[in-house]
Formats: sequence, C-alpha cells, structure tokens
Amino acid sequence: GENVEQHPSTLSVQEGDSAVIKCTYSDSASNYFPWYKQELGKGPQLIIDIRSNVGEKKDQRIAVTLNKTAKHFSLHITETQPEDSAVYFCAATLPSGTYKYIFGTGTRLKVLA
Amino acid sequence: DSGVTQTPKHLITATGQRVTLRCSPRSGDLSVYWYQQSLDQGLQFLIQYYNGEERAKGNILERFSAQQFPDLHSELNLSSLELGDSALYFCASSPSPGTPSYEQYFGPGTRLTVT
Repeated sequence: GENVEQHPSTLSVQEGDSAVIKCTYSDSASNYFPWYKQELGKGPQLIIDIRSNVGEKKDQRIAVTLNKTAKHFSLHITETQPEDSAVYFCAATLPSGTYKYIFGTGTRLKVLA
Repeated sequence: DSGVTQTPKHLITATGQRVTLRCSPRSGDLSVYWYQQSLDQGLQFLIQYYNGEERAKGNILERFSAQQFPDLHSELNLSSLELGDSALYFCASSPSPGTPSYEQYFGPGTRLTVT
C-alpha cells in the first residue's frame, strides 16, 4: 500500500534561517500532497498543499515543491520565526474516491531565537 | 479554528470500558474521517464516512466502530478498551463533492487515557 517517509524527524534552525522538510511517497498514482502544522495540544492545521499537476506552490514564507519523477515533495519555510516551532506532517492521497490521507511520521521543528 | 468540533476534549477511563467520541464537521462538509495519533504510530487513518455511509476503512480494530448521523455529526465508539488504545483521536471533515476537493480540516482532538 501507499507509504510516506518524512525526514528529518527533528530540525533546529536559528531564527531567520530557512527550514526544509522532505517527504517521499511510494504510489505514483498519488495526486494530492498537503502539509499540516500541529502545535502542542491542537489538531493538525492545513498550511499548504500541492496537486500533482503543479511543480511548486508558494504562500508568503512557505513553499512546497513536487518532483513526480522522484516521488519527492518538500516543504520550505523561509525567514523562520519562533512561532513556526511545531510538528509538521506531510501526507499523500490517492484519487481513489475516498481521498484518505497517508501521513508521514512528522518533523519537530524548533526555531531558536 | 477549523470549524470542526470534537467532544470531549479529554477522557480518562479504565481497561475494558466503552467510550464514545463525538465529532461535528464544518458546515456543509459531507465527509468525516477519523484518525488515531499515538506516539509510536503517528497519524493513522481509521475510517471515513460520507453522507451517512461508510466509505473507507483503514487500520481500525474490530473493537472500534463509527457512524455518521443524518445531521452529519459522527461518533467513534471504542469498546473493550486496552492500555494501548490511549491516544489522541482526531476527526477531519472535507468539503462537499461536486468539485474535486481533497482538503481535510481537523478538529482539536479527544485525548483518551486508558488506565
């Protein structure tokens, strides 16, 4: 079945630096890739997503890139701020009618002030 | 605030007991998904309902069941609870069909502790 690997599991960066989180999916039929931010004690919050017919998408300081050939997609956060500290999850879904997500294992990002 | 509500926020119960978790989706969303988040397993898909009918099953134990009611709220029933069932349980809702909408919006979760 579909599998999503996520790296790194933890990431510490200095405030103002960039952070990159990478995911790899196994099923080439996957066509939608969301990224979620989860703060302590809260539910996952959708922060950006990308569909398989697009190679890159940006929203202010956040961008996602997709390489369908390599089955990789990445989250890029620029000019990191302390409030970016959270756990980030990638996911992939298949166009199978259920649109259930297969999540990566999460990356704990710590932005050091 | 995603617009998805879940109750209760916390639940502490003993092994062997049965509990019911409740989820109200965003207004207009017909699909509800349930996920389990534990420390060693990450976010695992359990089950999906669409407009009252079961649509897909994931890694859901036979001791667990769910349903979606005519008003579209959903309940997840967990029975014969074991220590290993302690986890965060999230529901998510998805926009109505008609347009190919994949986004899922998560509720704040219910933290279940089995003692």
